[in-house]
Amino acid sequence: SQQGEEDPQALSIQEGENATMNCSYKTSINNLQWYRQNSGRGLVHLILIRSNEREKHSGRLRVTLDTSKKSSSLLITASRAADTASYFCWAGGTSYGKLTFGQGTILTVHP
Amino acid sequence: DSGVTQTPKHLITATGQRVTLRCSPRSGDLSVYWYQQSLDQGLQFLIQYYNGEERAKGNILERFSAQQFPDLHSELNLSSLELGDSALYFCASSEYPPGLAGGQGTGELFFGEGSRLTVL
Repeated sequence: SQQGEEDPQALSIQEGENATMNCSYKTSINNLQWYRQNSGRGLVHLILIRSNEREKHSGRLRVTLDTSKKSSSLLITASRAADTASYFCWAGGTSYGKLTFGQGTILTVHP
Repeated sequence: DSGVTQTPKHLITATGQRVTLRCSPRSGDLSVYWYQQSLDQGLQFLIQYYNGEERAKGNILERFSAQQFPDLHSELNLSSLELGDSALYFCASSEYPPGLAGGQGTGELFFGEGSRLTVL
């Protein structure tokens, strides 16, 4: 199963603070992707990091990948209330399989 | 706008009934995925199609079926509906499926806005 597991399950911070969430996976991967879901909406792709990359930036997002530990982290800097959402990781594997997301991290950013 | 279109957006029906959810993938995307999201089960992978062929199957019930047509749109059929089938059903598409030999494409998924099914 190409499933990522996010941690923590919930994170509550103040606007302006940084938010860090983690993802662990079990299989070999081609890439690892992070998605955001606003309540009741479809998931939106945020960033993709390939298995041969260690760090990637996109705006206020910073993703790291440690393939030896089979883990990734997503850092959102200077959080805004609009960042309030659920965040999911997806381990893009090397073979077909159960393309499952984890339970996600629910991020709440208080104004 | 992801470019993935799902219809209907909302659907209310009774137990025992059958419904069909439709998905039009993003232009050029060959792979379609169906997911079910409920409060207690989270986001569950149901099934994936690539260029008309079934490629991966998840926790899809026998009462559910799907297909991808030659024009690449997909339909998810849900029959003998039960109260527990009430959920958001998402369709996603990608240019290539992850794991395709040769590593083509990124496997990035583009999600539709979902079809909210309520079974009464």
